Amino acid sequence: DVKVTQSSRYLVKRTGEKVFLECVQDMDHENMFWYRQDPGLGLRLIYFSYDVKMKEKGDIPEGYSVSREKKERFSLILESASTNQTSMYLCASSGQKRLDTDTQYFGPGTRLTVL
Amino acid sequence: GQNIDQPTEMTATEGAIVQINCTYQTSGFNGLFWYQQHAGEAPTFLSYNVLDGLEEKGRFSSFLSRSKGYSYLLLKELQMKDSASYLCAVNGGYSGAGSYQLTFGKGTKLSVIP
Repeated sequence: DVKVTQSSRYLVKRTGEKVFLECVQDMDHENMFWYRQDPGLGLRLIYFSYDVKMKEKGDIPEGYSVSREKKERFSLILESASTNQTSMYLCASSGQKRLDTDTQYFGPGTRLTVL
Repeated sequence: GQNIDQPTEMTATEGAIVQINCTYQTSGFNGLFWYQQHAGEAPTFLSYNVLDGLEEKGRFSSFLSRSKGYSYLLLKELQMKDSASYLCAVNGGYSGAGSYQLTFGKGTKLSVIP
């Protein structure tokens, strides 16, 4: 079974703090993704990575950065947290670019509250 | 651009059949996914269609018409545990960055009532 884990289920931070969200997958997947999910807006892609040290901006990268130093680990960084970054953050991973293996598998999510 | 539409909410009765529709307009197409998401939990993969037609998987079936930009998820013999949001997602094709991105609809919240 694919397993994607995230470092925290719930996190509370203060405005201006630097926040690290970590995601680890155990299926040797090439691709990893960070989304945020907000009521009425659905899932929105922040950043993704298709290889170690490679990253691409998604639809809403402003205020975020990412790091992928190892294949299994993808970190999302909020350089200076703001209240509008209060959200559910979901990490996902997917395998090689074959027809039926770009299915994305999600971690349990981190509910981040910025006060 | 990419646009995916699905109804916001639906209600159905336990034991019945429900069909959740999804229409999409995307610049490319390399498959359509359905995910189930229970409240407070992560989405879990349900089905994948890349060719026209019906894919059946137990109580769940998914249909695709590429020419119409249309898919539906059919849930039979509804159970209370099927109360969840159902997300339609489209793979718009090879991104050039080496990765397949998915564009998600906003989800359909299904409530199953006794």
